[in-house]
Formats: sequence, structure tokens, C-alpha cells
Amino acid sequence: DAKTTQPPSMDCAEGRAANLPCNHSTISGNEYVYWYRQIHSQGPQYIIHGLKNNETNEMASLIITEDRKSSTLILPHATLRDTAVYYCIVRGSARQLTFGSGTQLTVLP
Amino acid sequence: KAGVTQTPRYLIKTRGQQVTLSCSPISGHRSVSWYQQTPGQGLQFLFEYFSETQRNKGNFPGRFSGRQFSNSRSEMNVSTLELGDSALYLCASSLSDRVGDNEQFFGPGTRLTVL
Repeated sequence: DAKTTQPPSMDCAEGRAANLPCNHSTISGNEYVYWYRQIHSQGPQYIIHGLKNNETNEMASLIITEDRKSSTLILPHATLRDTAVYYCIVRGSARQLTFGSGTQLTVLP
Repeated sequence: KAGVTQTPRYLIKTRGQQVTLSCSPISGHRSVSWYQQTPGQGLQFLFEYFSETQRNKGNFPGRFSGRQFSNSRSEMNVSTLELGDSALYLCASSLSDRVGDNEQFFGPGTRLTVL
């Protein structure tokens, strides 16, 4: 499965949109982009995933570029409870999820 | 629907002992995966079970083993515990064994401390 690159940390003001970028330039056609988050010492929480089209659910939106080499997770109105490590994962033929270092998002009051 | 449950939540053992951790997947989910999380190595895949069969295994020594029962509940066992086995052990379940488009849902984890 393709590797991903994420910034190690980001800040966001409470109530504003949080835009978390992820680069996956070696992604192949049948690989999905997954996003999980992990609040300190809890199990990772599934957020959203997509293949080609943009996706939206009650938690977030996932924007995938047309060439699929990068994506952005958008939390539309960040709250303090959204402070967590966010993981972008590309998953295709591998059965398991391969977690990188992720992005530490801190939502500031 | 209840989420993934793991027991116990916290465990303290001494070197050389063995430990068994339990995971109950979301109702209807037949695939269970186990992960280890440490500050140094991050989240690493241990193994995956589907329909009582191990489908995939990560790069861990044979001291780490697991099994899945007919009701999809799973256990993992670590024998001859070492200090480095101190970690958060996470269980994740998914509906099927399909790769790619198949989200995994994680439990709260079991925090194992080896003294």
C-alpha cells in the first residue's frame, strides 16, 4: 500500500474549519484513502474513507484531488473535543491498516 | 449497536508471566484484528482473524498468538512477557474480510504494564 505524508502538528481555532492535508503521491487506482483519529490513550476512531470522489458524513468531509495524489480532511466546525492525532492511511491490497505518525491537531479556545 | 469491547482494560504483570486479552467485536462483524501501540513504535499490526482462521500476521515473535471463536470473539495471548511488551493492545472489528473498502472499528484497548 502507498505511503502517506502528513504534517506533524497543526492548530485550529475553535469553531473554525480544520483542514488536514495528506500526500499520497504513489497511490494506485484501487487504493482507498482512510482517515482515523485517536484521542489520547483511546482506541482509534474511524472518520471517513474514499476512493475517487469526495465524501461527506456527519463527522467530516474528505476531498481527494483529481490525480488522487493528495487529500484533505475537513472538520467543518472544530471543537475542543476534536483535539487528537489524525491518521491518513492508504489501503489497497493489504488486509491491515498501516498507521504512520499522523498529525496532532490542537483546537484552541 | 454496542461497539467493540475489550477486557480487561488494565493489566499489570511481571516478566516471564503470560497474559490473555479478550475482544468482543461489534455484533455481526466476523473479522477481528489486533494491534499493538507503543510510544516508540506507534501502532503496529499483530494479526487478523476471520471465521476462526488467521488470515494475516504481522512481524511479531511467536510469543504472540491469538485465536477466534465461532461467535467471532477473539483472544490474544502473550507468553513469557518482557518489559518491552508493555503497550496498549487494540482490537478492531470489521464486517467482512474484504480488502480495500472495509472500515475497521476499534475498541478502547487493554493497557498492559509489565514490571
